[in-house]
Amino acid sequence: GENVEQHPSTLSVQEGDSAVIKCTYSDSASNYFPWYKQELGKRPQLIIDIRSNVGEKKDQRIAVTLNKTAKHFSLHITETQPEDSAVYFCAATPNDYKLSFGAGTTVTVRA
Amino acid sequence: DAGVTQSPTHLIKTRGQQVTLRCSPKSGHDTVSWYQQALGQGPQFIFQYYEEEERQRGNFPDRFSGHQFPNYSSELNVNALLLGDSALYLCASAHRGVNGYTFGSGTRLTVV
Repeated sequence: GENVEQHPSTLSVQEGDSAVIKCTYSDSASNYFPWYKQELGKRPQLIIDIRSNVGEKKDQRIAVTLNKTAKHFSLHITETQPEDSAVYFCAATPNDYKLSFGAGTTVTVRA
Repeated sequence: DAGVTQSPTHLIKTRGQQVTLRCSPKSGHDTVSWYQQALGQGPQFIFQYYEEEERQRGNFPDRFSGHQFPNYSSELNVNALLLGDSALYLCASAHRGVNGYTFGSGTRLTVV
Protein backbone atom coordinates (compact mmCIF):
# COMPACT_ATOMS: atom_id res chain seq x y z
CA GLY A 1 0.00 0.00 0.00
CA GLU A 2 0.90 3.68 -0.13
CA ASN A 3 3.36 5.00 2.44
CA VAL A 4 3.71 8.74 2.99
CA GLU A 5 6.57 10.31 4.92
CA GLN A 6 6.42 13.93 6.05
CA HIS A 7 9.18 16.27 7.24
CA PRO A 8 9.82 18.11 9.43
CA SER A 9 7.66 17.01 12.34
CA THR A 10 7.84 20.49 13.89
CA LEU A 11 8.56 23.87 12.30
CA SER A 12 8.91 27.23 14.00
CA VAL A 13 9.05 30.36 11.83
CA GLN A 14 9.08 34.07 12.42
CA GLU A 15 5.93 35.88 11.34
CA GLY A 16 6.34 37.01 7.76
CA ASP A 17 8.83 34.30 6.86
CA SER A 18 8.09 31.29 4.65
CA ALA A 19 7.38 27.73 5.75
CA VAL A 20 8.04 24.62 3.68
CA ILE A 21 6.82 21.10 4.43
CA LYS A 22 7.97 18.14 2.36
CA CYS A 23 6.38 14.74 1.76
CA THR A 24 7.45 11.66 -0.12
CA TYR A 25 5.24 8.82 -1.30
CA SER A 26 5.96 5.26 -2.30
CA ASP A 27 3.25 4.26 -4.80
CA SER A 28 4.03 5.62 -8.26
CA ALA A 29 0.35 5.16 -9.14
CA SER A 30 -0.68 7.88 -6.68
CA ASN A 31 -2.40 10.67 -8.56
CA TYR A 32 -4.05 12.92 -5.98
CA PHE A 33 -2.22 14.85 -3.25
CA PRO A 34 -4.23 16.98 -0.80
CA TRP A 35 -2.98 19.01 2.13
CA TYR A 36 -4.98 19.44 5.32
CA LYS A 37 -4.71 21.93 8.16
CA GLN A 38 -5.86 20.86 11.60
CA GLU A 39 -6.11 23.33 14.44
CA LEU A 40 -6.15 22.06 17.99
CA GLY A 41 -9.38 20.21 18.73
CA LYS A 42 -10.82 20.86 15.28
CA ARG A 43 -11.44 18.92 12.09
CA PRO A 44 -8.83 18.59 9.33
CA GLN A 45 -9.61 21.14 6.62
CA LEU A 46 -8.53 20.85 3.01
CA ILE A 47 -6.35 23.85 2.15
CA ILE A 48 -5.02 22.88 -1.26
CA ASP A 49 -4.69 19.82 -3.47
CA ILE A 50 -2.86 18.86 -6.62
CA ARG A 51 -3.26 16.14 -9.20
CA SER A 52 -0.49 14.22 -10.91
CA ASN A 53 -0.97 15.98 -14.25
CA VAL A 54 -0.03 19.32 -12.67
CA GLY A 55 3.40 20.35 -11.40
CA GLU A 56 2.44 23.33 -9.29
CA LYS A 57 -0.65 25.00 -7.90
CA LYS A 58 -1.01 28.25 -6.00
CA ASP A 59 -3.76 29.79 -3.91
CA GLN A 60 -2.89 33.19 -2.44
CA ARG A 61 -0.12 32.56 0.13
CA ILE A 62 -0.18 28.78 -0.26
CA ALA A 63 1.43 26.75 -3.03
CA VAL A 64 2.05 23.07 -3.63
CA THR A 65 4.63 21.53 -5.94
CA LEU A 66 4.79 17.96 -7.19
CA ASN A 67 7.76 16.04 -8.56
CA LYS A 68 6.43 12.74 -9.89
CA THR A 69 9.84 11.43 -10.88
CA ALA A 70 11.22 11.83 -7.38
CA LYS A 71 7.84 11.01 -5.81
CA HIS A 72 7.74 13.99 -3.55
CA PHE A 73 5.52 17.00 -3.06
CA SER A 74 5.82 20.11 -0.93
CA LEU A 75 3.66 22.75 0.70
CA HIS A 76 4.90 26.34 0.70
CA ILE A 77 3.36 29.02 2.88
CA THR A 78 4.60 32.55 2.28
CA GLU A 79 4.27 35.61 4.53
CA THR A 80 3.27 33.45 7.48
CA GLN A 81 0.79 34.82 10.00
CA PRO A 82 -0.06 33.69 13.56
CA GLU A 83 -3.27 32.09 12.28
CA ASP A 84 -1.16 29.74 10.17
CA SER A 85 -0.11 27.98 13.39
CA ALA A 86 -1.59 24.46 13.21
CA VAL A 87 -0.77 20.87 12.33
CA TYR A 88 -0.47 20.26 8.60
CA PHE A 89 -0.95 16.84 7.00
CA CYS A 90 -0.06 15.74 3.52
CA ALA A 91 -1.80 12.78 1.92
CA ALA A 92 -1.66 10.71 -1.24
CA THR A 93 -3.86 8.19 -2.99
CA PRO A 94 -3.63 5.96 -6.08
CA ASN A 95 -7.39 5.45 -6.18
CA ASP A 96 -10.68 6.92 -5.03
CA TYR A 97 -10.91 4.75 -1.97
CA LYS A 98 -8.55 5.96 0.70
CA LEU A 99 -6.05 8.63 1.56
CA SER A 100 -2.73 7.72 3.16
CA PHE A 101 -1.64 10.52 5.47
CA GLY A 102 1.74 11.66 6.63
CA ALA A 103 2.41 11.94 10.35
CA GLY A 104 1.90 15.70 10.39
CA THR A 105 3.95 18.86 10.86
CA THR A 106 3.28 21.18 13.78
CA VAL A 107 3.84 24.72 12.54
CA THR A 108 4.32 27.53 15.04
CA VAL A 109 4.45 31.12 13.79
CA ARG A 110 6.26 33.40 16.24
CA ALA A 111 4.98 36.95 16.47
CA ASP B 1 -25.46 24.04 3.94
CA ALA B 2 -24.59 21.59 6.68
CA GLY B 3 -21.20 20.02 6.53
CA VAL B 4 -20.33 16.58 7.85
CA THR B 5 -21.91 15.98 11.24
CA GLN B 6 -20.80 13.35 13.71
CA SER B 7 -22.29 12.15 16.95
CA PRO B 8 -21.58 11.92 19.76
CA THR B 9 -18.71 14.39 20.15
CA HIS B 10 -17.23 12.63 23.15
CA LEU B 11 -17.67 9.14 24.53
CA ILE B 12 -16.20 7.18 27.42
CA LYS B 13 -16.48 3.40 27.33
CA THR B 14 -15.16 0.53 29.39
CA ARG B 15 -12.81 -2.06 27.94
CA GLY B 16 -14.80 -4.92 26.38
CA GLN B 17 -17.86 -2.81 25.61
CA GLN B 18 -19.26 -2.02 22.19
CA VAL B 19 -19.71 1.45 20.66
CA THR B 20 -21.57 2.93 17.70
CA LEU B 21 -20.53 6.22 16.13
CA ARG B 22 -22.68 8.08 13.62
CA CYS B 23 -22.00 10.29 10.63
CA SER B 24 -24.16 12.35 8.31
CA PRO B 25 -22.37 13.37 5.11
CA LYS B 26 -22.34 16.77 3.56
CA SER B 27 -25.29 17.48 1.30
CA GLY B 28 -24.60 16.12 -2.18
CA HIS B 29 -21.99 13.64 -1.00
CA ASP B 30 -22.53 9.91 -1.41
CA THR B 31 -19.26 8.42 -0.16
CA VAL B 32 -18.38 8.10 3.50
CA SER B 33 -15.00 7.10 4.88
CA TRP B 34 -13.93 6.53 8.46
CA TYR B 35 -10.52 7.30 9.90
CA GLN B 36 -8.92 6.75 13.28
CA GLN B 37 -6.58 9.48 14.52
CA ALA B 38 -4.47 8.65 17.54
CA LEU B 39 -2.99 11.54 19.49
CA GLY B 40 -0.13 13.17 17.62
CA GLN B 41 -0.56 11.05 14.49
CA GLY B 42 -2.13 11.33 11.09
CA PRO B 43 -5.53 9.81 10.36
CA GLN B 44 -5.51 6.10 9.52
CA PHE B 45 -8.03 4.74 7.02
CA ILE B 46 -10.56 2.28 8.47
CA PHE B 47 -12.97 1.77 5.55
CA GLN B 48 -15.05 3.50 2.91
CA TYR B 49 -18.72 3.07 2.06
CA TYR B 50 -20.34 3.81 -1.27
CA GLU B 51 -23.81 2.73 -2.40
CA GLU B 52 -24.27 1.01 0.96
CA GLU B 53 -21.32 -1.30 0.33
CA GLU B 54 -17.90 -1.39 1.96
CA ARG B 55 -15.65 -0.48 -0.96
CA GLN B 56 -12.26 -0.83 0.67
CA ARG B 57 -10.87 -1.56 4.10
CA GLY B 58 -7.69 -0.56 5.88
CA ASN B 59 -5.63 -2.63 8.29
CA PHE B 60 -8.18 -2.82 11.06
CA PRO B 61 -9.51 -6.00 12.70
CA ASP B 62 -13.01 -7.35 12.21
CA ARG B 63 -14.01 -5.74 15.51
CA PHE B 64 -14.44 -2.63 13.39
CA SER B 65 -17.53 -2.77 11.21
CA GLY B 66 -19.74 -0.27 9.51
CA HIS B 67 -22.88 0.42 7.62
CA GLN B 68 -24.19 2.97 5.17
CA PHE B 69 -27.88 3.76 4.93
CA PRO B 70 -29.92 4.70 1.83
CA ASN B 71 -29.71 8.39 2.85
CA TYR B 72 -25.87 8.05 2.74
CA SER B 73 -25.42 8.39 6.49
CA SER B 74 -23.11 5.89 8.11
CA GLU B 75 -22.30 4.14 11.35
CA LEU B 76 -19.03 2.81 12.70
CA ASN B 77 -19.28 -0.02 15.20
CA VAL B 78 -16.43 -1.24 17.37
CA ASN B 79 -16.82 -4.40 19.43
CA ALA B 80 -14.78 -5.67 22.36
CA LEU B 81 -13.15 -2.30 22.95
CA LEU B 82 -9.48 -2.19 23.85
CA LEU B 83 -7.59 0.59 25.57
CA GLY B 84 -5.74 1.12 22.29
CA ASP B 85 -8.98 2.01 20.54
CA SER B 86 -8.94 5.36 22.34
CA ALA B 87 -8.66 7.95 19.57
CA LEU B 88 -10.45 10.60 17.57
CA TYR B 89 -12.69 8.94 14.98
CA LEU B 90 -13.18 11.06 11.91
CA CYS B 91 -15.81 10.68 9.24
CA ALA B 92 -15.15 12.17 5.81
CA SER B 93 -17.54 12.50 2.92
CA ALA B 94 -17.09 13.17 -0.76
CA HIS B 95 -18.89 12.75 -4.02
CA ARG B 96 -17.84 9.41 -5.53
CA GLY B 97 -14.41 9.08 -3.99
CA VAL B 98 -11.82 11.05 -2.05
CA ASN B 99 -11.48 14.20 -4.09
CA GLY B 100 -12.68 17.15 -2.10
CA TYR B 101 -13.00 15.17 1.13
CA THR B 102 -14.82 17.08 3.87
CA PHE B 103 -14.13 15.92 7.40
CA GLY B 104 -16.46 16.02 10.35
CA SER B 105 -15.30 17.28 13.73
CA GLY B 106 -14.91 13.74 14.97
CA THR B 107 -15.89 11.66 17.96
CA ARG B 108 -13.37 11.49 20.78
CA LEU B 109 -13.53 7.94 22.15
CA THR B 110 -11.86 7.15 25.45
CA VAL B 111 -11.68 3.53 26.57
CA VAL B 112 -10.98 3.02 30.27
